[in-house]
Amino acid sequence: KNEVEQSPQNLTAQEGEFITINCSYSVGISALHWLQQHPGGGIVSLFMLSSGKKKHGRLIATINIQEKHSSLHITASHPRDSAVYICAVRPKETSGSRLTFGEGTQLTVNP
Amino acid sequence: DTGVSQDPRHKITKRGQNVTFRCDPISEHNRLYWYRQTLGQGPEFLTYFQNEAQLEKSRLLSDRFSAERPKGSFSTLEIQRTEQGDSAMYLCASSWDFFNSPLHFGNGTRLTVT
Repeated sequence: KNEVEQSPQNLTAQEGEFITINCSYSVGISALHWLQQHPGGGIVSLFMLSSGKKKHGRLIATINIQEKHSSLHITASHPRDSAVYICAVRPKETSGSRLTFGEGTQLTVNP
Repeated sequence: DTGVSQDPRHKITKRGQNVTFRCDPISEHNRLYWYRQTLGQGPEFLTYFQNEAQLEKSRLLSDRFSAERPKGSFSTLEIQRTEQGDSAMYLCASSWDFFNSPLHFGNGTRLTVT
């Protein structure tokens, strides 16, 4: 079993829909990241959080440390949101900023 | 500052050849990471530098792989005697050296071994 599990693996939505991507992890962590990867490979950091909730534009990320669960929400989705969304955690026992990644959720938003 | 840059973007090589990739991190960042990503999977940690010191290596980094960061700035990742299983996206990231510093990723080098 992976230390970081994401669901769903693939998600197709219509423009304007509210989207939720879930991430569960099995280890103690010091931080959780949500990342966005577009075709071609580049990865952009969306959020880093260790508790509570963060919001940036139409994106909202929440984390429940006790339940070892995080969600990424996208409000009023748009075709340009189509990308792979990756959850990554920094386990407490690791050095530096090394992250353990989930497999990603492929999001497609249709016009 | 243009962020983390990687070169080349794409590399096609024949099995058995050696390849070398380069990463230029954000200039003030002390930490530099190499990750590998295969199709449909999340990135997997390969190795990590703090300045010029290689502090951690994954078991994924076999004897055919070597990474250097000689002056604590750019880094190179070399794969000797490439195998088809080495085909992947090789991602570099950098960060400050304080706790929970966010990572900044490059666009990756996509390696195809034929």
